[in-house]
Amino acid sequence: GDSVTQTEGQVTVSESKSLIINCTYSTTSIAYPNLFWYVRYPGEGLQLLLKVITAGQKGSSRGFEATYNKETTSFHLQKASVQESDSAVYYCALGEGTGNTRKLIFGLGTTLQVQP
Amino acid sequence: EAAVTQSPRSKVAVTGGKVTLSCHQTNNHDYMYWYRQDTGHGLRLIHYSYVADSTEKGDIPDGYKASRPSQENFSLILELASLSQTAVYFCASSGLGGRLQNTLYFGAGTRLSVL
Repeated sequence: GDSVTQTEGQVTVSESKSLIINCTYSTTSIAYPNLFWYVRYPGEGLQLLLKVITAGQKGSSRGFEATYNKETTSFHLQKASVQESDSAVYYCALGEGTGNTRKLIFGLGTTLQVQP
Repeated sequence: EAAVTQSPRSKVAVTGGKVTLSCHQTNNHDYMYWYRQDTGHGLRLIHYSYVADSTEKGDIPDGYKASRPSQENFSLILELASLSQTAVYFCASSGLGGRLQNTLYFGAGTRLSVL
């Protein structure tokens, strides 16, 4: 089946430093899945951070970027300078299925703690 | 603004009791989903629905039932709650096609504790 693997556990970064959260995917059901990063801030539900549906393209939002790399099956999340307000749980996901079976497969989530 | 509302936000249930989690969306979306989140497991799909009066099994449906009486409402039912069902439950909705394809809009979650 399809799966998503991302940086495990918690990542601690000092404010204004750079960040990378790794994400790789594996799919047997669809050649070019849609790829997503979702974020969950404390006390809130998940919200879409960015989405890329075409291999080779880059998505960006709120200073975060991720490039859909078909060759390495990766979709790493990066930010050049993190802020304390970026502290949250980040989930990488891929969209699978067609017709009436559309769904998202999520990674385990990576907790980002930004230190002031 | 698209909205998915879950109720209750938290619940304590007894083992063997019946639990119903409710979800209401005002997005006019066709798809609705129930996921559970556990430490170490990320989000796993329990049930989903693409049309009213019809539900589909997700990846971990055992011990859960779902009901979609209307486009706006989607419930998750635990007929006999067990300790292993203690988790945070998320409802989500999604539209069809175009730039909305596969983009899920989530509720704030329901924290369920089974004792």
